[in-house]
Amino acid sequence: DIQMTQSPSSLSASVGDRVTITCRASQSISWYLNWYQQKPGKAPKLLISGASSLQSGVPSRFSGSGSGTDFTLTISSLQPEDSATYFCQHSYNIPLTFGGGTKVEIK
Amino acid sequence: EVQLLESGGGLVQPGGSLRLSCAASGFTFTSYAMSWVRQAPGKGLEWVSAISDTGSSTYYADSVKGRFTISRDNSENTLYLQMNSLRVEDTAVYYCAKDPSPGVRGNVWFDPWGQGTLVTVSS
Repeated sequence: DIQMTQSPSSLSASVGDRVTITCRASQSISWYLNWYQQKPGKAPKLLISGASSLQSGVPSRFSGSGSGTDFTLTISSLQPEDSATYFCQHSYNIPLTFGGGTKVEIK
Repeated sequence: EVQLLESGGGLVQPGGSLRLSCAASGFTFTSYAMSWVRQAPGKGLEWVSAISDTGSSTYYADSVKGRFTISRDNSENTLYLQMNSLRVEDTAVYYCAKDPSPGVRGNVWFDPWGQGTLVTVSS
């Protein structure tokens, strides 16, 4: 199975900061990488598919990059409503697996 | 508006069974694969199972293979997850989610998700 490792597991940043979350796959997954945002008590929400395709309605401060084994999710200017846990997920093969999550808190 | 509404969760003893349902609306159900994803309390996300648009192909995580069965009724726009031989470690919120294409191949993502239904396995 492909293991997805996210770092950091948590971070605290100020409004307006640039935030970067990393997701590393245990083998190459091409661009088969998706990112989700989950707020407490809510279902996850798809932010980015195919490593870099921003979903409709998602603010442009979110962006994704990478291919192969190393991927990043960037929030260019952190906003209070971005406080959440972020997960990456690969779909290169079955089983589909998720990273452990990165909890983003606002200072 | 695409909507997914899960039901069927509850408290069950170890070794017991439960059947989850996911009622879909707002899209052509018969054109998309569907998945179940679970989240244990305070933990991360775990993909459980997926089914193709026609139901002809099914896929499972090793942790549930042989115990869970995914199915769908395209005439009723409903997805199911039959869970047998439940274990304490199956305790989680179970989400159904729509896949982006008819088959479970290529880049597969989950969008949208239902609100989830809690399954608690405890004696």
